[in-house]
Amino acid sequence: KAGVTQTPRYLIKTRGQQVTLSCSPISGHRSVSWYQQTPGQGLQFLFEYFSETQRNKGNFPGRFSGRQFSNSRSEMNVSTLELGDSALYLCASSFEGEWGTEAFFGQGTRLTVV
Amino acid sequence: GQQVMQIPQYQHVQEGEDFTTYCNSSTTLSNIQWYKQRPGGHPVFLIQLVKSGEVKKQKRLTFQFGEAKKNSSLHITATQTTDVGTYFCAGTTSGTYKYIFGTGTRLKVLA
Repeated sequence: KAGVTQTPRYLIKTRGQQVTLSCSPISGHRSVSWYQQTPGQGLQFLFEYFSETQRNKGNFPGRFSGRQFSNSRSEMNVSTLELGDSALYLCASSFEGEWGTEAFFGQGTRLTVV
Repeated sequence: GQQVMQIPQYQHVQEGEDFTTYCNSSTTLSNIQWYKQRPGGHPVFLIQLVKSGEVKKQKRLTFQFGEAKKNSSLHITATQTTDVGTYFCAGTTSGTYKYIFGTGTRLKVLA
């Protein structure tokens, strides 16, 4: 069974540009969540999608947006990039497993803004 | 807003010693999850606790959810070098799938 796939793995962008990150969940998982991980702020929740609907949103500015497609694949977009957006962006897909609502994380996309 | 703190931030132990990390939330949680992240890796789900006072065990790992559902702990018995990594708790309040991650505890095991 394939895991959560995130593309690209690494990305370098310039301030002011916009970027789109992609996440393919595990087959059958309908919930996809996005997180930003930085050394200073740790893991912070961005948003969560289920069946193409955003169910929950974290405390990030409107420059951060996302969407989910009918096949559960999700994309995250960041517009007008700032230096502080440099981070590891992780997505996770979830299902109800033996130990609870199990979230499986992808390898992440490391975004560097210069 | 909701905050989840973990202590200690770092812990170095000799192989074979026990290790405990504590997670405290500023608000009552619906459930709490625990993850392990190896250096350079991504978080890996360990367990979810839902009930007040719940205790679950996975081999050498024991997870506990406080009676008030505002704190939790992860205890590792007889640590091994494979236990190295950062352990995160993540909690959510009732009715949401918005998980707030703790600050993490970085564990180093000295052989």
